[in-house]
Amino acid sequence: QVQLVQSGTEVKKPGASVKVSCKASGYRLTDYYMHWVRQAPGQGLEWMGMINPDSGATDYAQKFQGRVTMTRDTSTSTAYMELSGLTSDDTAGYFCAREFNYGAGNFDFWGQGTLVTVSS
Amino acid sequence: QSVLTQPPSASGTPGQRVTISCSGSSSTIGSNTVNWYQQFPGTAPKLLIYRNIQRPSGVPDRFSGSKSGTSASLAISGLQSEDEADYYCASWHDSLNAWVFGGGTKLTVL
Repeated sequence: QVQLVQSGTEVKKPGASVKVSCKASGYRLTDYYMHWVRQAPGQGLEWMGMINPDSGATDYAQKFQGRVTMTRDTSTSTAYMELSGLTSDDTAGYFCAREFNYGAGNFDFWGQGTLVTVSS
Repeated sequence: QSVLTQPPSASGTPGQRVTISCSGSSSTIGSNTVNWYQQFPGTAPKLLIYRNIQRPSGVPDRFSGSKSGTSASLAISGLQSEDEADYYCASWHDSLNAWVFGGGTKLTVL
């Protein structure tokens, strides 16, 4: 069965970077785009960007351009999202999500989420 | 301020039919399809409706979606206590080149 398993909780200081992993199983990572969505405490969902795991091509939301890097390791079926220059506003749950039909935005499987807390 | 506008809350009694609206623009819903997600506290969102009206396998037919112009709606019929959750609409934004979400609607089953 399809599963996306993310790395654990992170606590970072302002200015630091965080790298979250998302290991896919039950399907071939390269067959579907992977997206990253975050959710601040008590707030709504915010799309960060996506990666084509087959080619490695990425597309980032303008808000995160220059601060986010999405990569993948096909040998371990793992996608990564790295966010730099962290501030308290980046405190949030970060989710990876598989897009079943490219361009449809139907994120059919999600990781369990990784809580990132940014605090001095 | 979300690009897609949803009411912050909605409520109904068991067995009732409730609808949740999602208002966008010509850059979002007016030219793209709408997806709906259900989220319980502390868990990841779950895909409920995609391409305006399609239900993934396993989603009960009590859930239905519709779209007209620059707005969309999620309807839940035969409301059940386990439907109490947050609901989000989502669509592509042609100008921002990004997926955008509504602010979410908290559904309470009275």
